[in-house]
Amino acid sequence: DAGVIQSPRHEVTEMGQEVTLRCKPISGHNSLFWYRQTMMRGLELLIYFNNNVPIDDSGMPEDRFSAKMPNASFSTLKIQPSEPRDSAVYFCASSLVLMVGHPYEQYFGPGTRLTVT
Amino acid sequence: KNEVEQSPQNLTAQEGEFITINCSYSVGISALHWLQQHPGGGIVSLFMLSSGKKKHGRLIATINIQEKHSSLHITASHPRDSAVYICAATLSGGGADGLTFGKGTHLIIQP
Repeated sequence: DAGVIQSPRHEVTEMGQEVTLRCKPISGHNSLFWYRQTMMRGLELLIYFNNNVPIDDSGMPEDRFSAKMPNASFSTLKIQPSEPRDSAVYFCASSLVLMVGHPYEQYFGPGTRLTVT
Repeated sequence: KNEVEQSPQNLTAQEGEFITINCSYSVGISALHWLQQHPGGGIVSLFMLSSGKKKHGRLIATINIQEKHSSLHITASHPRDSAVYICAATLSGGGADGLTFGKGTHLIIQP
């Protein structure tokens, strides 16, 4: 399997522009997670989906952030409008959850390094 | 106070030394994860454990549920072990929950 695929790997944009990050989970996985990593705050959960349904979006910093999972093989994280403080590495991860209440190993994508100037 | 705390933040050791990284947590968890992040940035899951001990090659992870503490050990350390090691928890309440992370331990193994 190719693993979790993220695109683009690097994104540089100007403040105010819309940014869309993409993720393709491992085939057969039914849970998908978006994380953000910054020097100040480390890794943080933004949102996770189970069977394409958003389960917990309490980590999404503000209304400028939105995420969708239209099908089992694709998810997007959108920032509109972007701000310099959104600069970070954004990771997508997926897992196969066979039974709610039982944790499962997560597989991370390579990340997207976002720079907002 | 963070729900997951790691120590030390930074660790430099000589090749061959036995390495221990500690993780403590203050909330109920269903599993404790150890992750490795290399300088290139990629994150790899090393262990997921909810009790006892797991071993993979030179890496050993242990967890003490009563004391809410986990350790990651590296035996016969090598420069290629240099990376950031991150402790993370799946909090109790649902198997589809995201991870709650410690701040990471930056490990450097000198030849």
